[in-house]
Amino acid sequence: AQTVTQSQPEMSVQEAETVTLSCTYDTSESDYYLFWYKQPPSRQMILVIRQEAYKQQNATENRFSVNFQKAAKSFSLKISDSQLGDAAMYFCAFGGSNYKLTFGKGTLLTVNP
Amino acid sequence: DSGVTQTPKHLITATGQRVTLRCSPRSGDLSVYWYQQSLDQGLQFLIQYYNGEERAKGNILERFSAQQFPDLHSELNLSSLELGDSALYFCASSPSGQGGQETQYFGPGTRLLVL
Repeated sequence: AQTVTQSQPEMSVQEAETVTLSCTYDTSESDYYLFWYKQPPSRQMILVIRQEAYKQQNATENRFSVNFQKAAKSFSLKISDSQLGDAAMYFCAFGGSNYKLTFGKGTLLTVNP
Repeated sequence: DSGVTQTPKHLITATGQRVTLRCSPRSGDLSVYWYQQSLDQGLQFLIQYYNGEERAKGNILERFSAQQFPDLHSELNLSSLELGDSALYFCASSPSGQGGQETQYFGPGTRLLVL
């Protein structure tokens, strides 16, 4: 079974600064997807970014980018120019062949003005 | 707005009761997934339906059941409710049946409180 580990329960960053959230996973599959979801206080789950394992190039979405290290099974999220609206719980998720998403326990990001 | 709708937003009920949560997927999506988010268990996959048929089951209790109707909306039925069933229940949808290998779009959730 796949496992997803987010080792940082909480992180904080100053507005306009850069922060990196860590995620590691364990799987025996070679073809899979990785996701970062954001859950603000409204509790809505919002897709931030996704990475296909077969792609070597790291995904980017505006201020959000990932560092995907397949051999190390690491998938970190970098948020540049942090904004107050980035404050939320961030979940790393693994999507493999068994139809479901497996989520980490989340990292609570605080953005300080 | 993901395009996935869930009703009701909030539900308060008593132990032993039965409730039904409803989900409408994004237009064109054939798969629906149900997840439970609780403080102690985190986000847990419950069940997936694809085009009306059950495709995958996760940590779903026998007291819980779900179905997907011909118009592709889905319902999650929770019966004999216990205090521990209090949680946020999410529905997600995706275009086909590839599950984890395609993006799942989440609805706003139904917050269930069992008293």
